[in-house]
Amino acid sequence: SQTIHQWPATLVQPVGSPLSLECTVEGTSNPNLYWYRQAAGRGLQLLFYSVGIGQISSEVPQNLSASRPQDRQFILSSKKLLLSDSGFYLCAWSGGLAGVGAGELFFGEGSRLTVL
Amino acid sequence: SQKIEQNSEALNIQEGKTATLTCNYTNYSPAYLQWYRQDPGRGPVFLLLIRENEKEKRKERLKVTFDTTLKQSLFHITASQPADSATYLCALDDQAGTALIFGKGTTLSVSS
Repeated sequence: SQTIHQWPATLVQPVGSPLSLECTVEGTSNPNLYWYRQAAGRGLQLLFYSVGIGQISSEVPQNLSASRPQDRQFILSSKKLLLSDSGFYLCAWSGGLAGVGAGELFFGEGSRLTVL
Repeated sequence: SQKIEQNSEALNIQEGKTATLTCNYTNYSPAYLQWYRQDPGRGPVFLLLIRENEKEKRKERLKVTFDTTLKQSLFHITASQPADSATYLCALDDQAGTALIFGKGTTLSVSS
């Protein structure tokens, strides 16, 4: 069966510090991978998605970046965190839906980031 | 761009009643629509997917309808239980069909 792992679960970082969140998927190959952010009182915001190794699409211009160095690994990074980067970060994968769309998403447990 | 509105931020009902949540979208009509459940501090969990050619879909106590003319989906939980208390999210594909965009969700509270 497929599983998704995301870490760290919680982190507190000072403004201006770097960030690295990692996500790996097991039990499937060539998944679509996604990073979402959920800020307090706001909905899920799509940050990045990837349909293959080295292929990253950015939805929101910001000081975050994403990389996909391996088929089932997705990394979210920042060189210098801002206060506004605080939130609940969720990684997800999907197998697509027969060429029609993204299909059902499977989410990780999330990473709670607090920037002070 | 597509916009999704879940027009109730919070819904409070009594145990045993039917909860009805609404999802409205603007612009293009999606090929399908999804509903997810999210518990506090956890990632969303997929519940149901309904295609544009399906009027209604059921799964145990859950029922989803999809009206492409009204650009609306209704999500029903019958015989609701306190364990159904959670935030429910509506989701659609973006126009490129590569990622899901989500509504802000409706937080359901079922009291015993």
